[in-house]
Amino acid sequence: SAVISQKPSRDICQRGTSLTIQCQVDSQVTMMFWYRQQPGQSLTLIATANQGSEATYESGFVIDKFPISRPNLTFSTLTVSNMSPEDSSIYLCSAAVGGVTDTQYFGPGTRLTVL
Amino acid sequence: EDQVTQSPEALRLQEGESSSLNCSYTVSGLRGLFWYRQDPGKGPEFLFTLYSAGEEKEKERLKATLTKKESFLHITAPKPEDSATYLCAVWANDYKLSFGAGTTVTVRA
Repeated sequence: SAVISQKPSRDICQRGTSLTIQCQVDSQVTMMFWYRQQPGQSLTLIATANQGSEATYESGFVIDKFPISRPNLTFSTLTVSNMSPEDSSIYLCSAAVGGVTDTQYFGPGTRLTVL
Repeated sequence: EDQVTQSPEALRLQEGESSSLNCSYTVSGLRGLFWYRQDPGKGPEFLFTLYSAGEEKEKERLKATLTKKESFLHITAPKPEDSATYLCAVWANDYKLSFGAGTTVTVRA
């Protein structure tokens, strides 16, 4: 398994600004993912964070809005850019130690409110 | 498109009152089905992975089963600490997780 931490745990931001969320894993992992969980809804995959290359985005999510970095095997960031109230959500990071066929473990999430 | 449907949306139980949660799925090429538990304000906590029809997994008061079209999470003699939202997710050929909307379980003492 993997233990995952996220910073910040919550934030309140103004419309038009950007927020960067950090995800740290306690061991080297092959795969890292970013999800969004809107109020009362389930998890939606935003992108797969690839180490050493661009992230792979799911339909409906674009790099300009959600730039992702993954500089090494234990760390990733997600930036929510030019925020609007519709971006208010919980953002979750997950990691799979052994690769794409391994179980995903999740961080505690970052609760974002955009005013 | 992969679809995962969980029922009921909410379940209120008395302590000790056993019940089951359902997860039905439509995917092309199921590689695995996952159950997670999510407490308010926290990330999902992994419970089980099921890979093939007929498989069963148990952990304390929880037992997960899998058929070709659905999975059940049975909660036996629940306690208040079992109150949480239970999420089902499936792996298809692309190994991306598709989540259901969850079942929120409330167990009253």
